[in-house]
Amino acid sequence: SYDLTQPLSVSVALGQTARITCGGNSIVSKNVHWYQQKPGQAPVLVIYRDTNRPSGIPERFSGSNSGNTATLTISRVQVGDEADYYCQVWDSRTEVVFGGGTKVTVL
Amino acid sequence: QVQLQESGPGLVKPSQTLSLTCTVSGASISSGSFYWNWIRQPAGKALEWIGGIYTNGSTTYNPSLKSRVTMSLDTSNNEFSLKLTSVTAADTAVYYCARAMLTLYFGSGVLDYFDYWGHGTLVTVSS
Repeated sequence: SYDLTQPLSVSVALGQTARITCGGNSIVSKNVHWYQQKPGQAPVLVIYRDTNRPSGIPERFSGSNSGNTATLTISRVQVGDEADYYCQVWDSRTEVVFGGGTKVTVL
Repeated sequence: QVQLQESGPGLVKPSQTLSLTCTVSGASISSGSFYWNWIRQPAGKALEWIGGIYTNGSTTYNPSLKSRVTMSLDTSNNEFSLKLTSVTAADTAVYYCARAMLTLYFGSGVLDYFDYWGHGTLVTVSS
């Protein structure tokens, strides 16, 4: 099976930059998507196909994908960005795969 | 605006069948190139994709759940459904329905990203 590895938690000071990684074997060959999930709410797509932002998502959210690691970057972090973040890919053997999720805390 | 709404029993007994329906508004489930999906999340844990059904009725399931899952379309009511058999406490979770875009993989359409989600419904497996 294809596995995606995310850090359990990331802490970032208000106004600074948060970087959330998603590790997978040759992940650069896959389309990586990112979701934000706040407590008690459904996930929301924030980045699709590595680097694309859906309509309504602030420019502060950006994505990259290289080698074995994809990264979601949140610039000028706000209190409202506190949430769990999940990466997701499609794999030919296991179909849809989600990472374990990363909890972002704003200090 | 596309909206999805899950419905079904919130409590299911062990060994029985979990049945959920997702009603879609703002889009037709029988048109366009989309997969209609079920995803679940046990309390405090990560998201787990259960499976998806294409607009033509073809299905794709998570290999780990495949033996217990059936999905179907009801185009007259613009709904799609999930049945999960022989449930145990490990199936207790919030169940989401979601629409997935497609991408091409060697000429075949496969699931890409999930752009619209329902609010989710909690299903508890307990006697």
